[in-house]
Amino acid sequence: AQSVTQLGSHVSVSEGALVLLRCNYSSSVPPYLFWYVQYPNQGLQLLLKYTSAATLVKGINGFEAEFKKSETSFHLTKPSAHMSDAAEYFCAVSERNFNKFYFGSGTKLNVKP
Amino acid sequence: EAQVTQNPRYLITVTGKKLTVTCSQNMNHEYMSWYRQDPGLGLRQIYYSMNVEVTDKGDVPEGYKVSRKEKRNFPLILESPSPNQTSLYFCASRRFAGDSNQPQHFGDGTRLSIL
Repeated sequence: AQSVTQLGSHVSVSEGALVLLRCNYSSSVPPYLFWYVQYPNQGLQLLLKYTSAATLVKGINGFEAEFKKSETSFHLTKPSAHMSDAAEYFCAVSERNFNKFYFGSGTKLNVKP
Repeated sequence: EAQVTQNPRYLITVTGKKLTVTCSQNMNHEYMSWYRQDPGLGLRQIYYSMNVEVTDKGDVPEGYKVSRKEKRNFPLILESPSPNQTSLYFCASRRFAGDSNQPQHFGDGTRLSIL
């Protein structure tokens, strides 16, 4: 069975500071990995995905993530936080047929002025 | 406008009273899926459908039923709701099953409270 662990249910950064949200996965086969963002009272939006191409993946809104097989990690980063980045972020892993998805428990990002 | 529409958005009901949450998409998508979101647990997949009349269990299917009689609709049925099904539910769709290049489009959610 696949699983996703997100370290830190809440992360707080200052505006302009580096954002680092951690995600580790366990999978018996090479996974496909995703980061989603959820703004209050909304559904999820895809930020970026890893599907076995380049290990450094760039997404929307200046976010990127690096797939590290040796560390079974897929951490999300953004060099400079903006107030509009405040939201909840979910890491997810998919089976290779993309029909079943497993989500982490989420990390709420707070951005301080 | 391309969208996934869920109804109702909010519902408070009582144990044992059958209810249906509807989900409709206007993008001619083949793949549709239901998730529940609970604090500290993230989203868990309940059921998914790869096309009309093709459905399969996700991670937490117990207590739920689904049907896919038409491509655009994928209702979630709780035959005998219980308090542990109090949750925030999301429907999602994607153009093709098994397609990594298409993102899932999510509805705005349905908040169910079962007393």
